[in-house]
Amino acid sequence: QVTLKESGPGILQPSQTLSLTCSFSGFSLSTYGMCVGWIRQSSGKGLEWLANIWWNDDKYYNPSLKNRLTISKDTSNNQAFLKITNMDTADTATYYCARRGGDYWGQGVMVTVSS
Amino acid sequence: DVVLTQTPSILSATIGQSVSISCRSSQSLLDSDGNTYLYWFLQRPGQSPQRLIYLVSNLGSGVPNRFSGSGSGTDFTLKISGVEAEDLGVYYCMQATHAPYTFGAGTKLELK
Repeated sequence: QVTLKESGPGILQPSQTLSLTCSFSGFSLSTYGMCVGWIRQSSGKGLEWLANIWWNDDKYYNPSLKNRLTISKDTSNNQAFLKITNMDTADTATYYCARRGGDYWGQGVMVTVSS
Repeated sequence: DVVLTQTPSILSATIGQSVSISCRSSQSLLDSDGNTYLYWFLQRPGQSPQRLIYLVSNLGSGVPNRFSGSGSGTDFTLKISGVEAEDLGVYYCMQATHAPYTFGAGTKLELK
């Protein structure tokens, strides 16, 4: 059974760095072809695919956010991570992680940026 | 960026009715590897998106076969053959052929 679960701070202040963790089970990020991605959803911008990390450590970043994003993984502990620097109120959203091609999604974590 | 235009934005249907949602892309979604990375998702109220269709027409695991996808190039369609109550929610198309991956704005399926 494949499951994913996001965790994060819930609320942070403008200019801070957001650190998110995706803890998953039922698959391994060391398996050939496997991938975990991060997606966010806000009322203002809808769904936005942010980044992917593959089994071979290849990475994809949304070009509009590339300078602020860092994706990484801990294969042995079945986790993937996303850092977003210089957070702004416009980054307030629900953040999801999903397996390859979006076939399984986590429940999402709401992140609010507010002073 | 590739723009995906979904129509209609709101779809009212009765139980058992067959409906279609269109997704038109501003660029061809045929990749140089021969694949077309066009997906369909359903987001029920209060839930995460669920993948219905991948690579235009392939049914996701556990997805009922009343859902079907078709199309090529820039024009794609999701069809539901006999709406059921559990199908209500917002449908999104998404492309992963061109960076950045982009989603359509969504089509809300509601009961008439």
